[in-house]
Amino acid sequence: GENVEQHPSTLSVQEGDSAVIKCTYSDSASNYFPWYKQELGKRPQLIIDIRSNVGEKKDQRIAVTLNKTAKHFSLHITETQPEDSAVYFCAAPLRDASKLTFGTGTRLQVTL
Amino acid sequence: SAVISQKPSRDICQRGTSLTIQCQVDSQVTMMFWYRQQPGQSLTLIATANQGSEATYESGFVIDKFPISRPNLTFSTLTVSNMSPEDSSIYLCSVARQNQETQYFGPGTRLLVL
Repeated sequence: GENVEQHPSTLSVQEGDSAVIKCTYSDSASNYFPWYKQELGKRPQLIIDIRSNVGEKKDQRIAVTLNKTAKHFSLHITETQPEDSAVYFCAAPLRDASKLTFGTGTRLQVTL
Repeated sequence: SAVISQKPSRDICQRGTSLTIQCQVDSQVTMMFWYRQQPGQSLTLIATANQGSEATYESGFVIDKFPISRPNLTFSTLTVSNMSPEDSSIYLCSVARQNQETQYFGPGTRLLVL
């Protein structure tokens, strides 16, 4: 069926290291790929998104790459800090461009 | 982004009762959605709240259990009916502007059903 797969489910890195989270999607027509960060007890917050007309987008320490042929996209966080610790969700519109299907989430822990 | 509020922020309810959750946004938006997030899980779309017409429900969700209203472009309600402990979850509304895919989330309503 139509879905968004996300890996890994948990990720622990040391402060200053990089973190990479990967998602694959099933609908080749999908053209919008957001990433959300959810801290404990808080709402999901959009941190970066990418559209299918570009292969990479960067915002300070955060970048997203998209491979439309392979139908996967990745979140890259460089120079991680303790405040990056959170659950990260990828999403993509499947079947319906107005609706988002979310990945299963990645719990990132940045240790000192 | 939009300023989105939800009421109540949390509630503890008895099984068999119903709870209505409100979502208010500070500016007119085209799309409003309701999601459920079970403990430690991802976000699952319940329905799209359509202004002036019946909501569009996703597979596994029905109007009798989750009636939704959207009387105007800035307000929507979700009712969780005849609650059971399995309905314990966080319920989130989200909004998107016309011709924009980006969704912004409300703070959520944490529901515990005893």
